Amino acid sequence: KQEVTQIPAALSVPEGENLVLNCSFTDSAIYNLQWFRQDPGKGLTSLLLIQSSQREQTSGRLNASLDKSSGRSTLYIAASQPGDSATYLCAVYTDKLIFGTGTRLQVFP
Amino acid sequence: EPEVTQTPSHQVTQMGQEVILRCVPISNHLYFYWYRQILGQKVEFLVSFYNNEISEKSEIFDDQFSVERPDGSNFTLKIRSTKLEDSAMYFCATWAGQGVNQPQHFGDGTRLSIL
Repeated sequence: KQEVTQIPAALSVPEGENLVLNCSFTDSAIYNLQWFRQDPGKGLTSLLLIQSSQREQTSGRLNASLDKSSGRSTLYIAASQPGDSATYLCAVYTDKLIFGTGTRLQVFP
Repeated sequence: EPEVTQTPSHQVTQMGQEVILRCVPISNHLYFYWYRQILGQKVEFLVSFYNNEISEKSEIFDDQFSVERPDGSNFTLKIRSTKLEDSAMYFCATWAGQGVNQPQHFGDGTRLSIL
């Protein structure tokens, strides 16, 4: 059974820091991996999608990498801003999305 | 950008009552999903729906749950007799189905509170 784990569970950093969020999964038989952002009480916003054949994807200050064989992905956030404060979820797609528990990020001025 | 629309945003219901949660998918999407998130817990898969039938359902999706797309537009989740533990945020997601490089798109969710 696929299990997705995210560490750390919470992170509080000053503005301007570069951050790394980690995601691991137990079964490498995935089609893709997605990173989402969730603001309190809100829906899920897709940030990046990495296909199983890809190693990384970039969007603005965000860079996500995927090492399928070792069951790991990282989300790198450059030059963090207070507006980045949210919960970040990773999810692997087989024929459905299986989510991790998320990393709650707070960026303070 | 096209959006997935869910209504209502918040539903408060007495235990034992029926509820229907509604979702308007993105117009050219073919695959539809319901997920739920109990407060403080993971987002969990409930059911997937394609070509007017259920493709897969989780253990959570028991006989009290049903889905349908009655008019070719709205995609609904019905809970026949709600329980306290059904209190959660319910998310609808849709997917174009044109390749695994396309993400699922999520609605803003319906917060269901069972009293």
